[in-house]
Amino acid sequence: AQSVTQPDIHITVSEGASLELRCNYSYGATPYLFWYVQSPGQGLQLLLKYFSGDTLVQGIKGFEAEFKRSQSSFNLRKPSVHWSDAAEYFCAVGAQGNKLVFGAGTILRVKS
Amino acid sequence: DAGITQSPRHKVTETGTPVTLRCHQTENHRYMYWYRQDPGHGLRLIHYSYGVKDTDKGEVSDGYSVSRSKTEDFLLTLESATSSQTSVYFCAISEPDRGRGYTFGSGTRLTVV
Repeated sequence: AQSVTQPDIHITVSEGASLELRCNYSYGATPYLFWYVQSPGQGLQLLLKYFSGDTLVQGIKGFEAEFKRSQSSFNLRKPSVHWSDAAEYFCAVGAQGNKLVFGAGTILRVKS
Repeated sequence: DAGITQSPRHKVTETGTPVTLRCHQTENHRYMYWYRQDPGHGLRLIHYSYGVKDTDKGEVSDGYSVSRSKTEDFLLTLESATSSQTSVYFCAISEPDRGRGYTFGSGTRLTVV
């Protein structure tokens, strides 16, 4: 069965510091991978996605993610975090039947 | 997202009462989904639909039913609400292409007292 693991429940970074959020997936075929962001009280917004081609994908708001098949990982990165990036981030894998399987989420706190 | 709306946005209901949540889309997307979000669990799929009158169960379907009589509407019903169904419910839509991802509604916060 497909699954997604986000090992970090909470992460705190200083404003201007770099960020990496970890995501590991389990899927038998070529994965379709996504990162979503959720601000408090809001729905989920798609940050970026990977389904083929270049393993480094660029998204909105200055985020990028790198697909590493050998490590079953799809980590999200940003070189310099802004206070407005504080939110919850979800990694997801596209499964059979057009379904998405989500990780438990990582809450990002940004300190000034 | 303007193409998908959920109603109501907030609801408080009593244990044992039936509750229906509505998801309406204007994008004419084929697939519609209901997820629940709980701390520490991320989003878990309740039910989904792949066309009018075509629905299937997700991983946490017990206690829930759905109906889709029109492309644009997907209803989630709690037949007899329990406190364990207190959650935030999200509707999502997509096209039959795994690479597209979903578009989410703004959510419905349901409290069962």
